[in-house]
Amino acid sequence: DQQVKQNSPSLSVQEGRISILNCDYTNSMFDYFLWYKKYPAEGPTFLISISSIKDKNEDGRFTVFLNKSAKHLSLHIVPSQPGDSAVYFCAASAVNRDDKIIFGKGTRLHILP
Amino acid sequence: NAGVTQTPKFQVLKTGQSMTLQCAQDMNHEYMSWYRQDPGMGLRLIHYSVGAGITDQGEVPNGYNVSRSTTEDFPLRLLSAAPSQTSVYFCASSRRDWYNEQFFGPGTRLTVL
Repeated sequence: DQQVKQNSPSLSVQEGRISILNCDYTNSMFDYFLWYKKYPAEGPTFLISISSIKDKNEDGRFTVFLNKSAKHLSLHIVPSQPGDSAVYFCAASAVNRDDKIIFGKGTRLHILP
Repeated sequence: NAGVTQTPKFQVLKTGQSMTLQCAQDMNHEYMSWYRQDPGMGLRLIHYSVGAGITDQGEVPNGYNVSRSTTEDFPLRLLSAAPSQTSVYFCASSRRDWYNEQFFGPGTRLTVL
């Protein structure tokens, strides 16, 4: 049973445009959400997070939106740059219940010149 | 700081062999975890630890053992390797109070023949 779903395996976006990566979750106990970025042959690196008490968190070109009623979050990258080409993983945890952090399958983002 | 280190980088095993993947961190992080990454499957949690002497199972613990005798080290043992354990393994660590924002190691690519 997949608790964190990234339904788009890949996404191509023109350089300079907005990239929107989506993530859905099924476990209503999740209350903290994260995005990680991964380049080939490297470990994932933390990008941005959001607590369930917020609906938006911004960090430079990256913004994460959380819609709790829809159990949906999205990562917006504006403007998209060539170095943003990577695999993006959505992750979630139930902070007050256990220490497990569950990841989605990832979305490969291609930034086109 | 070296961050999170993993050894070896690559390993080939025969079915039935045992081995230990090493993971160490020098950031005094309480929380450590092991993930495996398979094509189309994202990152799946194998085992995790919230401190020395404490370990717990993740999503896919079968065939793997862990121990946490020190804060710095969190080795992953494959007792009897199977081809299904062919994967890339990532170790991660974080502070307990910010445990969600994990630092990942560079990974170990394991092939079981």
